[in-house]
Amino acid sequence: GAVVSQHPSWVICKSGTSVKIECRSLDFQATTMFWYRQFPKQSLMLMATSNEGSKATYEQGVEKDKFLINHASLTLSTLTVTSAHPEDSSFYICSGTGPYGYTFGSGTRLTVV
Amino acid sequence: TQLLEQSPQFLSIQEGENLTVYCNSSSVFSSLQWYRQEPGEGPVLLVTVVTGGEVKKLKRLTFQFGDARKDSSLHITAAQPGDTGLYLCAGPAGSSNTGKLIFGQGTTLQVKP
Repeated sequence: GAVVSQHPSWVICKSGTSVKIECRSLDFQATTMFWYRQFPKQSLMLMATSNEGSKATYEQGVEKDKFLINHASLTLSTLTVTSAHPEDSSFYICSGTGPYGYTFGSGTRLTVV
Repeated sequence: TQLLEQSPQFLSIQEGENLTVYCNSSSVFSSLQWYRQEPGEGPVLLVTVVTGGEVKKLKRLTFQFGDARKDSSLHITAAQPGDTGLYLCAGPAGSSNTGKLIFGQGTTLQVKP
């Protein structure tokens, strides 16, 4: 089946630093990947659509300069949280559209201290 | 604006009981999906329903898509502790084929042994 690998699974960083999260489609090519944010016991909120070879499109209210997305190949999309602050602490999840529909990564728990 | 409203948001039951989770919208969806998510993991697809009135069964789980394709339900028979998790319904966002999904608020299910 289609697999999306997301790394790291958890990260703790100091306020003001940047953190990069990687999302790889292991056995399929994903021209489009999606990045979500999830707070405890809440649903997934779409942050942005990552398009291979072009700029990402961001949902309303999501700062594109703070959440940098790069989709340089058909199998890799990255999300960089720049100048992270405690309010950026959350669970970030990516997904790709594979041969069997949407496949989600296992998520990244970001804690900013 | 498309919205998917799930109810109940929290459910705590004893092993062996039955339960139903609802996913309602005022908008028509071409399809709806149900996911189950465990803590610290990404959502895993359970089923996709595409035809109004459709009923799909997955062992003790029964999924139904409303005739008008505006609502769906998930019924679990004889719940087990292993069914514990966050259940999410999701559907395609908008009329254009962007690939975006919108999610319901989620239903947190706890099944006590």
